[in-house]
Amino acid sequence: ETGVTQTPRHLVMGMTNKKSLKCEQHLGHNAMYWYKQSAKKPLELMFVYNFKEQTENNSVPSRFSPECPNSSHLFLHLHTLQPEDSALYLCASSQSTGGAYEQYFGPGTRLTVT
Amino acid sequence: GENVEQHPSTLSVQEGDSAVIKCTYSDSASNYFPWYKQELGKGPQLIIDIRSNVGEKKDQRIAVTLNKTAKHFSLHITETQPEDSAVYFCAGSDSSYKLIFGSGTRLLVRP
Repeated sequence: ETGVTQTPRHLVMGMTNKKSLKCEQHLGHNAMYWYKQSAKKPLELMFVYNFKEQTENNSVPSRFSPECPNSSHLFLHLHTLQPEDSALYLCASSQSTGGAYEQYFGPGTRLTVT
Repeated sequence: GENVEQHPSTLSVQEGDSAVIKCTYSDSASNYFPWYKQELGKGPQLIIDIRSNVGEKKDQRIAVTLNKTAKHFSLHITETQPEDSAVYFCAGSDSSYKLIFGSGTRLLVRP
């Protein structure tokens, strides 16, 4: 285990639903990340938080809304998603964003939008 | 911005043989290059990384080489085992948290 947990592991939702993904890290890190992994595409960075403050929003549609209440927890709130949003959503953490530190990934949430 | 290209997309080797995966990058400012292994149903796991002040780094059966002049770096796995079967990703960074990932290589080690 990497010390980064994600729930749920699998999620099926309709386009009108609202759901949330949860990530928790037990590594004492200060930076947390959301990535999207689609088939046949490189990992895409979505959001970055450092010490609970958002430092990156990589042009992500507003139907994805992140929340970071503290350095150990990260959420991704989902609403009115599209089928093309179906993907593996990965959470990661690192010591901070002040350098090229190792990033530790969770197992991901496999999201299917119907 | 940085662009990282990875080859091959799939690689099949016989158990005990070596496997080599290559990546090229475009931004000469990049100086941190991690390699991740992703097994089925799991997130990517860092297996080795290299910074631009060294040309090679080894960890048991795994090694990474870096050619800054040519802007390419490679992952070498020797004496491959079935448990090495996974998807491998390279990435590059300019000393920041922003990792630019390659598209991945699916490695199959045949028993």
